[in-house]
Amino acid sequence: GAVVSQHPSRVICKSGTSVKIECRSLDFQATTMFWYRQFPKQSLMLMATSNEGSKATYEQGVEKDKFLINHASLTLSTLTVTSAHPEDSSFYICSASPPSLAGGLSPWEQYFGPGTRLTVT
Amino acid sequence: KQEVTQIPAALSVPEGENLVLNCSFTDSAIYNLQWFRQDPGKGLTSLLLIQSSQREQTSGRLNASLDKSSGRSTLYIAASQPGDSATYLCAVSWTSYDKVIFGPGTSLSVIP
Repeated sequence: GAVVSQHPSRVICKSGTSVKIECRSLDFQATTMFWYRQFPKQSLMLMATSNEGSKATYEQGVEKDKFLINHASLTLSTLTVTSAHPEDSSFYICSASPPSLAGGLSPWEQYFGPGTRLTVT
Repeated sequence: KQEVTQIPAALSVPEGENLVLNCSFTDSAIYNLQWFRQDPGKGLTSLLLIQSSQREQTSGRLNASLDKSSGRSTLYIAASQPGDSATYLCAVSWTSYDKVIFGPGTSLSVIP
């Protein structure tokens, strides 16, 4: 079964609106989660590192004021795309790893959510 | 800079052939390497994970090898089937609990 979930799986919004995407670790607590995005026909690129209780770390070229990340609990990180534009249309995916070997999960492996497909019209 | 590359970018083979996908990475001090499969419009399916101390991992018709000294990994698919058609991504992590860096992927098409 899934160990990392994302909601929603698919969202369509109008240009200028904001969209929130949730990433949850279901079977473990994660102090760190990662957000990636994938444009059509391209590979996944890391956007930011979400840290529980502190500010996220953004990769070069990713606007922190546009992509707001909140990691308010050990099982939930949210990515809010503010004032979305069509060029923000992409597949957004998160990952996390458990802190220890438990429940059949490996602490040395990143578990990925199923992804959220955002379309901005 | 830590980078991951994959060749070929695309591959088309007739059903039944054995094939090899290649992944290269800079900085050989990796923590682990993972192979994923991604179907069009879908998320990631984890295929094999190789720890830095391992040389290979096998699952069914899939075999992944790791040569850290040369900065390479290969994914071997035996007796390919049309259902194997997908994009295969190589992802490398250099430290534990850290991000992974993905290669650009190999788009595989297995022709019936």
